[in-house]
This record gives sequence, structure tokens and C-alpha cells, in this order.
Amino acid sequence: QEQLQESGPGLVKPSETLSLTCTVSGGSINSYYWSWIRQPPGKGLEYIGYIYYRGRTNYNPSLNSRVTISVDTSNKQFSLKLTSVTAADTAVYYCARTRWFGEFLRYFDLWGRGTLVTVSS
Amino acid sequence: SYVLTQPPSVSVAPGQTARITCGGNNVASKSVQWYQQKPGQAPVLVVYDDRDRPSGIPERFSGSNSGNTATLSISRVDAGDEADYYCQVWDSSSDLPVFGGGTKMTVL
Repeated sequence: QEQLQESGPGLVKPSETLSLTCTVSGGSINSYYWSWIRQPPGKGLEYIGYIYYRGRTNYNPSLNSRVTISVDTSNKQFSLKLTSVTAADTAVYYCARTRWFGEFLRYFDLWGRGTLVTVSS
Repeated sequence: SYVLTQPPSVSVAPGQTARITCGGNNVASKSVQWYQQKPGQAPVLVVYDDRDRPSGIPERFSGSNSGNTATLSISRVDAGDEADYYCQVWDSSSDLPVFGGGTKMTVL
């Protein structure tokens, strides 16, 4: 059964870097796009960015200067780094497989369970 | 940037049909997806490409998309359908997805 699992620290200090990894199990990381999405407590979904297994990326402009997404196909993992975090970055962070069919049909068909990251000193 | 608008909440009696709307400029020209998110859980895709259902999603969940409004319909609603529902499209100009603000569905 295909699964995604986020891992990383649940507490990050302000101004430091948030680092998370998503591990793909039960399926291939190749031939897919992979995304990070977050959800602040009590709020809606905010898209962070995606990476193709070959390395192409695109990021939400609101986070662009602070975000880096990378992929390690040999270990079936992709990662998120978010620099200079503040309390506004406190959220549940989800990784998700992104299905890609042409210009308009793109969606998230497999999600990790999510991990809460709190930014606090 | 493209904007999707959802009502913050809808309420429906058990056994009735719930309809959740998602408004956007000429949204009919885009493919709309719907996600269900129960408290403390990750979102689950329930409808993709306006009206298709992933494997394992009951036929009670259906979608439509016309003009400036896409609609998720849930027939024979029961307490297990209580959740937040989000619509989503892909904005080709930014090459990024857009989510609606979410609708909290309450079963009375």
C-alpha cells in the first residue's frame, strides 16, 4: 500500500530553519510530482511548492525566497527547507503526491498524515 | 491571481443531499477537485476532474462544474460526512494550485 510519511522536528526556534522529509513507501518516487502543503491551526490549506522527481521545482511566491524543496530518488524521499521562520509558520505540514495531466488537470491523490511544526522560543 | 470562493459553512439533515459550491471566474474552463478533511486527519481526494471519483469513494459523492460555479453534492448524508471540504484548481498562469477557503459541513 502506497504511503507517505513526514518526519522532522516538531519545534523550531524563530529565525531558524524548518526541515522536513517525506518518505515514499509501497510505490515509486519516479515519474511523479511531489508537493508540500501546510495548514495553520484552524485555517485552510496553503500550498508551499512542488518538485518533479527529476528536480524541477516551483514555489509559492509568498514563500519563494525562503523555500527549498529537494528530492533524493535513491532513498525515495523529498524534503522541505523553510528559512527564517516566525510564529506565522506554525502549521501542520503535509506532503502529497501530485498527479499531473496536462495544463489544467493536476491534483493531490495521496497525502501524508501531516506533522505539526510549532515555531517558538 | 485566481481566487476560489466557498461558503464558510453548510448544514444538512441526515438523509438529505448537501451541496457545497465553489465560485471562480469561468471556473468551468478548469478542472476542479474536491477534498474532504475530517478533524485531525489529512485531506482526502473525493472528486477530481470536476466529476470523477477515486477508487473507494462512494457514489454518493458527485461533482459538477458550469459557468462560474462548481458544486460538490453529497447524497444521503450521514454523521460520518461531517468534515471540512476544499475545492482546488490549477492556475496555469502561476503554475500553482489554488484552494478554496474551505466549507465546514455540519450534519444536523
